[in-house]
Amino acid sequence: DAGVIQSPRHEVTEMGQEVTLRCKPISGHDYLFWYRQTMMRGLELLIYFNNNVPIDDSGMPEDRFSAKMPNASFSTLKIQPSEPRDSAVYFCASSLGTSDSDTQYFGPGTRLTVL
Amino acid sequence: GNSVTQMEGPVTLSEEAFLTINCTYTATGYPSLFWYVQYPGEGLQLLLKATKADDKGSNKGFEATYRKETTSFHLEKGSVQVSDSAVYFCALSDPRFGNEKLTFGTGTRLTIIP
Repeated sequence: DAGVIQSPRHEVTEMGQEVTLRCKPISGHDYLFWYRQTMMRGLELLIYFNNNVPIDDSGMPEDRFSAKMPNASFSTLKIQPSEPRDSAVYFCASSLGTSDSDTQYFGPGTRLTVL
Repeated sequence: GNSVTQMEGPVTLSEEAFLTINCTYTATGYPSLFWYVQYPGEGLQLLLKATKADDKGSNKGFEATYRKETTSFHLEKGSVQVSDSAVYFCALSDPRFGNEKLTFGTGTRLTIIP
């Protein structure tokens, strides 16, 4: 399997612009997670889905952030409008919905820079 | 709520030294415990895990034992290599959410000098 795929790997944008990050989970995995990693705050869970349905979005910082999972093989995280404090590495992860559901497989991340 | 406390970094060791990275946790119920590793420019990878008290997880020469009495899951390796340089994260699952949701520690950066 190719693992979790994220795109783009790097994104540089200007404040106020819309940013869309994309994720393809491992085929057959039922759970998908979006994390944000910064030096100041470490690794934060933003939202996660089970079978395409959002389960917990309590980590989404504010209304400027939204996430969707239209099907089992694709998810997006959108920031509109973006701000410099959104600069971070965003990770997508997926896991099986079985007794091994607690093992998460991470993508390589998207490094976002908002100028 | 659930939380994970990790040894503050960074940690710098010479090659072939003995490694310990401390991890303690606070949790409701009986979580599973994990160590993830992040190499430069990459996502996190599962290194090892333990699902119940007294279990020992092991992989690539690393070991950690689930100690319920001390609420700890310390990571150890007998002889580190330069290739072990990475950031190490301790984590626990949350049984209130069916174990799929993980709480991570802040990470410990390890640098091995030849």
